[in-house]
Amino acid sequence: ETGVTQTPRHLVMGMTNKKSLKCEQHLGHNAMYWYKQSAKKPLELMFVYSLEERVENNSVPSRFSPECPNSSHLFLHLHTLQPEDSALYLCASSQGTGTYEQYFGPGTRLTVT
Amino acid sequence: GENVEQHPSTLSVQEGDSAVIKCTYSDSASNYFPWYKQELGKRPQLIIDIRSNVGEKKDQRIAVTLNKTAKHFSLHITETQPEDSAVYFCAADNQGGKLIFGQGTELSVKP
Repeated sequence: ETGVTQTPRHLVMGMTNKKSLKCEQHLGHNAMYWYKQSAKKPLELMFVYSLEERVENNSVPSRFSPECPNSSHLFLHLHTLQPEDSALYLCASSQGTGTYEQYFGPGTRLTVT
Repeated sequence: GENVEQHPSTLSVQEGDSAVIKCTYSDSASNYFPWYKQELGKRPQLIIDIRSNVGEKKDQRIAVTLNKTAKHFSLHITETQPEDSAVYFCAADNQGGKLIFGQGTELSVKP
């Protein structure tokens, strides 16, 4: 599938590192999302962008910094993470916010050591 | 804000049996209730959704029912097959265009 892609697929980083996750959607959608998926926890919404403007910041720590340069690309910049931030980070896109199907990327499996 | 509760957390059925997963939500303003399936190691994918103007929707072996008065909705899978084994998430929309997901149900279909 090529609708929503994410890179890298796996990432191991130390607590003092700075890294970025990248998401790209090829569906012509206007909304993009970052979710965190931990073991035995529901999908936790982190950020929502609509037409490149952030419309939701779900009380996410400042060590996570999103960037949406255009409607096709979404980044999640990471710095000074904690071990409890280890999780699967999923990007999604949809035609608009609200009652539209969300298309997920394959995710980035992040391990913080 | 919206809160979505999903039960059970795990469900094991024999191939051919039916499976039912239930969700409740708290925000009476919610109007959109999708269900996502996530196979092991794969991304979540929408399998069916229902909007508040209907009480039931069916797609082959999958059906969803909605009771707006009681604020609960359910996923029904009939004639289960091993390939139905996955984690299923319900969700409800919230103000601002968010989807609030339930905790997930791990369904195991034993041949």
